[in-house]
Amino acid sequence: GEDVEQSLFLSVREGDSSVINCTYTDSSSTYLYWYKQEPGAGLQLLTYIFSNMDMKQDQRLTVLLNKKDKHLSLRIADTQTGDSAIYFCAESGGYQKVTFGTGTKLQVIP
Amino acid sequence: DVKVTQSSRYLVKRTGEKVFLECVQDMDHENMFWYRQDPGLGLRLIYFSYDVKMKEKGDIPEGYSVSREKKERFSLILESASTNQTSMYLCASSSSVRTSGIYNEQFFGPGTRLTVL
Repeated sequence: GEDVEQSLFLSVREGDSSVINCTYTDSSSTYLYWYKQEPGAGLQLLTYIFSNMDMKQDQRLTVLLNKKDKHLSLRIADTQTGDSAIYFCAESGGYQKVTFGTGTKLQVIP
Repeated sequence: DVKVTQSSRYLVKRTGEKVFLECVQDMDHENMFWYRQDPGLGLRLIYFSYDVKMKEKGDIPEGYSVSREKKERFSLILESASTNQTSMYLCASSSSVRTSGIYNEQFFGPGTRLTVL
C-alpha cells in the first residue's frame, strides 16, 4: 500500500528557517498536503500542492515537490515559538482516502 | 465555523469492556474517518465511511467496528477493549466535492485519549 515517511523530530532556533522533509511511494498521488497538529488538538490543513506543481509559496511557508524522487518538503521562514507542533505530510490519489505520514515534531528554541 | 466534535477528551476503561467513541460533524460531509495516533507511527486509518450505512476497512480494522446510522454521526466500537488499544483516537470528515480548490481536505476533531487498564 501507500507509504509516507518523515523524520520524527526537528529542533530549530527562533528566527531560523525550518525544513521538514517527506517521502512517499504512491506515484499516482494527485494532492499532497501538510497538516499541523498543535498540542492537545486535532490536525488542521496548513497548505497543499497539486502533483503537477513543483513549488507553492504562502507567506512564510514554501512547499517544494520533486515528483521524480517522490519527495516533498515544507520550509517555514522566520520560525516562531508558535510554530512548535507536529507536522504531518499526507497524500491522496483523488479518492476519499488520504494517507498520512508519521509526523515530524518541530521544537522551536527561544 | 466548521466543526467536528468527539464525545470525550479522555476515557479510561478496563480490559474486556465494550467502548463507544462518538463523532459528530456539522458540515454535511459525506465522508467520515477514524484514525488512531501513536508516537512514531503517525496516523493509521481504522475505518472510514463514504455514505450513511456504508463502511470500509482501513489499514488496522482488527478489534474495531463502526456504525454510521446518520450522515453526521460516526461511531467507533471496541467490542472487547484490550491494553494494546490504549491510544489517541481521531475522527475526521471530508466532502466528496471539491471545496476551496482542493479535494479531500479532512477536518479533525480534538481527539479522545483512551486508556485501557
